[in-house]
Amino acid sequence: DAKTTQPTSMDCAEGRAANLPCNHSTISGNEYVYWYRQIHSQGPQYIIHGLKNNETNEMASLIITEDRKSSTLILPHATLRDTAVYYCIVRVLSNFGNEKLTFGTGTRLTIIP
Amino acid sequence: DAGVIQSPRHEVTEMGQEVTLRCKPISGHNSLFWYRQTMMRGLELLIYFNNNVPIDDSGMPEDRFSAKMPNASFSTLKIQPSEPRDSAVYFCASSPDPGILNSGANVLTFGAGSRLTVL
Repeated sequence: DAKTTQPTSMDCAEGRAANLPCNHSTISGNEYVYWYRQIHSQGPQYIIHGLKNNETNEMASLIITEDRKSSTLILPHATLRDTAVYYCIVRVLSNFGNEKLTFGTGTRLTIIP
Repeated sequence: DAGVIQSPRHEVTEMGQEVTLRCKPISGHNSLFWYRQTMMRGLELLIYFNNNVPIDDSGMPEDRFSAKMPNASFSTLKIQPSEPRDSAVYFCASSPDPGILNSGANVLTFGAGSRLTVL
């Protein structure tokens, strides 16, 4: 799996957009970028994933650079409930189905009132 | 949908005792994962199953750990004998069959976790 690099921690003001970067310079052509988050004392929660096009869902937007070496997760209007550890994971989609996901240390995002 | 159900939520036991953690995946999901989380080592994958068959158990720390999935709706993670260093939060997660188009692959739904303390 391609290695990912994320900042250890970030702060964001409530109501503002939170932009979480992820570097994955060794990503290969068939690897997707996944984002999960873990709110304190809960299990991780899937947010979004993409291959090369930008993606948006009800939770967030994912912007992947044209060379695919980095991506940014955007929470458009951060709330206090978005305070969590955010994990960026790069993983291939196998023809045989689900594969194991390896979680790194992630970015601890704190939303400031 | 009740989500992934784990039990017990909390367990305190003494060193040397057997511990059994249980997981009920989401109905229709065909992949099941066991993770362990500690402050020191973060979130580690222990083992995962596809269609009730163990696919990769390379993360299982040692022979004291074993996992089974006798049917599509139930899995257990057993530690025998338990040691203080096994203290952690153990998460179970499940994922649906991605299908021919691989849609939804690697999208895991996690349970609330089982917090284990071994004294």
